Amino acid sequence: KAGVTQTPRYLIKTRGQQVTLSCSPISGHRSVSWYQQTPGQGLQFLFEYFSETQRNKGNFPGRFSGRQFSNSRSEMNVSTLELGDSALYLCASSVDGMNTEAFFGQGTRLTVV
Amino acid sequence: AQSVSQHNHHVILSEAASLELGCNYSYGGTVNLFWYVQYPGQHLQLLLKYFSGDPLVKGIKGFEAEFIKSKFSFNLRKPSVQWSDTAEYFCAVNTNAGKSTFGDGTTLTVKP
Repeated sequence: KAGVTQTPRYLIKTRGQQVTLSCSPISGHRSVSWYQQTPGQGLQFLFEYFSETQRNKGNFPGRFSGRQFSNSRSEMNVSTLELGDSALYLCASSVDGMNTEAFFGQGTRLTVV
Repeated sequence: AQSVSQHNHHVILSEAASLELGCNYSYGGTVNLFWYVQYPGQHLQLLLKYFSGDPLVKGIKGFEAEFIKSKFSFNLRKPSVQWSDTAEYFCAVNTNAGKSTFGDGTTLTVKP
């Protein structure tokens, strides 16, 4: 079956702009989580969506937001980009987000210049 | 708040050496535990997981991990590493609240 698909794979944006990243989970998975991966901070949890509702949120500023659609696809939006937002953004899907393993996408590499 | 600590940031071993990567977590409730691996240029993939039952779990590629509840630990082991095990390894904790917390990762380099 198809894995987790993230688009686009690479993005270059300018400071102050906003960006939207997309994640298509594995069919049947209702939980989608987003993570930011940087060399210095490792994998940081952004938020998790389940059945179109944000169920958990990490410690990121309000510039980071997301949503989930009825088909479980999810988008993440970052407004007013800062240089420090440059990172690999990973999406993971699982059946329920709690007692089942997560499958990760390849990630979107965001570079802010 | 839950946290995960991986003690070794970078481990260098020769082929056939034994491996043990430490992972400790802090959370007072029920947890699900995972080890993920990220090979160079590839996405994160699951090595093994612990939900309940036998605290010694076996994963893919000869890896195993032991959950010691009293020590809040979930160390990863492999008796004999191969060059192809060179990768970054992440320990993760998922609480019943549905939130996963990852350790900072351990980079393993295996010399042929």
